[in-house]
Amino acid sequence: EVQLLESGGGLVQPGGSLRLSCAASGFSFSSYALSWVRQTPGMGLEWVSAITGRGEATYYADSVKGRFTVARDSSKNTLYLQMDSLRADDTAVYYCAKEISGSGSYYGSLDSWGQGALVTVSS
Amino acid sequence: QSALTQPASVSGSPGQSITISCTGTSSDVGSYKFVSWYQHHPGKAPKLMIYEVTKRPSGVSNRFSGSKSGNTASLIISGLQAEDEADYYCNSFTSTNTFVFGTGTKVTVL
Repeated sequence: EVQLLESGGGLVQPGGSLRLSCAASGFSFSSYALSWVRQTPGMGLEWVSAITGRGEATYYADSVKGRFTVARDSSKNTLYLQMDSLRADDTAVYYCAKEISGSGSYYGSLDSWGQGALVTVSS
Repeated sequence: QSALTQPASVSGSPGQSITISCTGTSSDVGSYKFVSWYQHHPGKAPKLMIYEVTKRPSGVSNRFSGSKSGNTASLIISGLQAEDEADYYCNSFTSTNTFVFGTGTKVTVL
């Protein structure tokens, strides 16, 4: 069974940093692209970032480009999202999700999701 | 990248069919087959219902189907059931190698 478990969320001041982790199990980690998607309070889903199976390519939404960095560690089966220069509008529940295709490429077809980690940016 | 446009709400009676539209541009929906649909119950993880416009993941009911015409993709739910009541989001690949979600549609079963 595929499992994705996010951790690292919490309260941070504007301008601060936070690193989210997503521990994966139940599938061949390096074969699947992974992504981060967030849901802001009372709003819809927003795609944040993605990384290919072997980590050779990364993608970012314009709203986080230059501030967030996605990475993966195949030795730990873990996905990361380093969030710097955080702003109030980054407050959201952050989900990690797995691509349905085992090609390693990213197509935006996310068939398994974690339960989410809440990030609150406030002074 | 602006969010794809979806109707805020769609409703139907049990057994009926409803269609949720997702309108983008020639830079996203209109040019790529990577359009997917997600069902989201509040407080739970989103669920993939349709991917690559028309494909249905294993375990998803065949009451759910997808299509695309020009810059507009559609999710069709036939034989509407109470359990289908949820928020639905479309998602598309874009010309800038990013992805964009739709504004979301709340489906109500009357």
